[in-house]
Amino acid sequence: QLHLQESGPGLVRPSETLSLTCVVSGGSVTSSGYYWGWIRQPPGKGLEWIGSIYYSGTTSYNPSLKSRVTMSVDTSKNQFSLELNSVTAADTAVYYCARNVIVVVSHRTLEFDRWGQGTLVTVSS
Amino acid sequence: EIVMTQSPATLSVSPGERATLSCRASQSVNSNLAWYQQKPGQAPRLLIYAASTRATGIPARFSGSGSGTEFTLTISSLQSEDFAVYYCQQYTQWPPLTFGGGTKVEIK
Repeated sequence: QLHLQESGPGLVRPSETLSLTCVVSGGSVTSSGYYWGWIRQPPGKGLEWIGSIYYSGTTSYNPSLKSRVTMSVDTSKNQFSLELNSVTAADTAVYYCARNVIVVVSHRTLEFDRWGQGTLVTVSS
Repeated sequence: EIVMTQSPATLSVSPGERATLSCRASQSVNSNLAWYQQKPGQAPRLLIYAASTRATGIPARFSGSGSGTEFTLTISSLQSEDFAVYYCQQYTQWPPLTFGGGTKVEIK
């Protein structure tokens, strides 16, 4: 059964870079039918899509965060990663990684069918 | 960007009763809509995709309907484990993929 597990620092200083990794088990990041995404949720608020990546390295980012986001994939370790630079307190959130179903022919992304448990990242000095 | 608006923000329902949640899109998303359930301290769980198709393992009491800009999630007979926050998400136009603000279903 597919399992996603986020990891990374729980505390990041303002203006620094937030770095998270999602390890995938019970399945492969190279599966053709999926992108791999990051979604965040500030405390007590709703969900915000950050971006998604295909195993080939093709990415799509939320325009509101695009200038600060970099996603990468390591197929040898079956994991993918998120970097968000120049963080502020507004980036404090639970960060989830998730599997993003796609239409294989067009790479059009669909729903998120599997999620990690999430990891809280606090931005504070 | 397509804006998703959910109503009501909070819905108070007694166990065994029907719950009807609404999701409206700022422009047509055809049937490219998913619903998720999120319990406190947990990740969201996919309930419905393509507006009306239940995800694997989702009980039949959950049903989705609608197309275009108006969508509904119905829980036919609320069980204790159904009290949670529900989100809709569109995937017809991206980036960005966008979620609604959520509806909290609470015990009346």
